[in-house]
Amino acid sequence: DAGITQSPRHKVTETGTPVTLRCHQTENHRYMYWYRQDPGHGLRLIHYSYGVKDTDKGEVSDGYSVSRSKTEDFLLTLESATSSQTSVYFCAIREPGQGTDTQYFGPGTRLTVL
Amino acid sequence: QKEVEQNSGPLSVPEGAIASLNCTYSDRGSQSFFWYRQYSGKSPELIMFIYSNGDKEDGRFTAQLNKASQYVSLLIRDSQPSDSATYLCAVLANQAGTALIFGKGTTLSVSS
Repeated sequence: DAGITQSPRHKVTETGTPVTLRCHQTENHRYMYWYRQDPGHGLRLIHYSYGVKDTDKGEVSDGYSVSRSKTEDFLLTLESATSSQTSVYFCAIREPGQGTDTQYFGPGTRLTVL
Repeated sequence: QKEVEQNSGPLSVPEGAIASLNCTYSDRGSQSFFWYRQYSGKSPELIMFIYSNGDKEDGRFTAQLNKASQYVSLLIRDSQPSDSATYLCAVLANQAGTALIFGKGTTLSVSS
């Protein structure tokens, strides 16, 4: 399962509150990603990291920030949650491979913003 | 805007039949192609990847790639009810690329 955990697994919060989701990996992977999955949109990249303190924006980064102070942890923060951020959030790692790198996903966090 | 297109389905096949899932992509420079399976309420699970033109087989699964036509497919032989899931096609634009671009997925239903 690529040693990826996400916490919390479920969260209900109110509009305007800050929320932080955590992704933890145990295998020292350099690249980590945050995606969100919504009906009708598929999986979309929010932010990614290519090393400690090295991050960049993805397709749908507005309203989100990330931090990576240790190799094993990648945090996603919603500074002021909105109902449009109700979604399922997946963390992924990138594993080097022969011919191509591959990505593996964590179990996901279901976030509901009321 | 790089796009990956899949027929949303549902694709319904009887048990034991071959299921054929298709995907087209817009970026001609795309390098690698992935198929993920996602059961309802679960995370995507990588089942196949391919980066060279032609076929790649792994058990009951065969991935087919045609870069000239910008087309990738997944065949599932001897389909089982446990194969019922949503299948996501994903494309990596280049080896230095940041992340995968996903299609919206095709729902497969295998009836016993």
